[in-house]
Amino acid sequence: QVQLQESGPGLVKPSETLSLTCTVSGGSLSPYYWSWIRQPPGKGLEWIGYIYYSGDTKYNASLEGRVTISIDTSDNQFSLKLTSMTAADTAVYYCARTSTLRGSDSWGQGTLVTVSS
Amino acid sequence: DIQMTQSPSSVSASVGDRVTITCRASQGASSWVAWYQQNPGKAPKLLISGASTLQSGVPSRFSGSGSGTDFTLTISSLQPEDFATYYCQDANSFPPTFGGGTKVEIK
Repeated sequence: QVQLQESGPGLVKPSETLSLTCTVSGGSLSPYYWSWIRQPPGKGLEWIGYIYYSGDTKYNASLEGRVTISIDTSDNQFSLKLTSMTAADTAVYYCARTSTLRGSDSWGQGTLVTVSS
Repeated sequence: DIQMTQSPSSVSASVGDRVTITCRASQGASSWVAWYQQNPGKAPKLLISGASTLQSGVPSRFSGSGSGTDFTLTISSLQPEDFATYYCQDANSFPPTFGGGTKVEIK
């Protein structure tokens, strides 16, 4: 069964860029979408964006211009870059396997990213 | 964007109770509504897709129904492991917005 694991820094300074990677094991990136979703402490889920295994991307308009998702099929990984980080971006960041009609059926454990100087 | 409004935001219930959670879409959400369960400190788990299709391994006490703008998640007989937060999502919209969540607490 597919497993996902996020990796990246737990602390980012204001105005800096967050870079996270999700490593997928036990399955292929094809033919799924691969999502990033975040959850501020004590709050609900916010979908950030996703990338198709072919490389097509879609982003939440609220983050458009700040977010880039890329994929590396040779390493079975996909990545998130979020620029100009502020305290409002403090959240647990999840990666997930997504089908556009079914939803997200496999999730990473999540990684807490805190924005602080 | 489609907004998904869940109610109630929290519910107190006892083991064995029947619990119903409602999700209303601001526009027609087709039938591709998903429901997730999230335990504290854990990632969400997909319970139901397509409004009513139970995912493999999910107990049959969970059921989903609805179409158009109104969708329901029902737990027929609440078990101790069901105390968690539940989210709906319109999986077919862009962005695939989540509802605000419903916390099921022990009475």
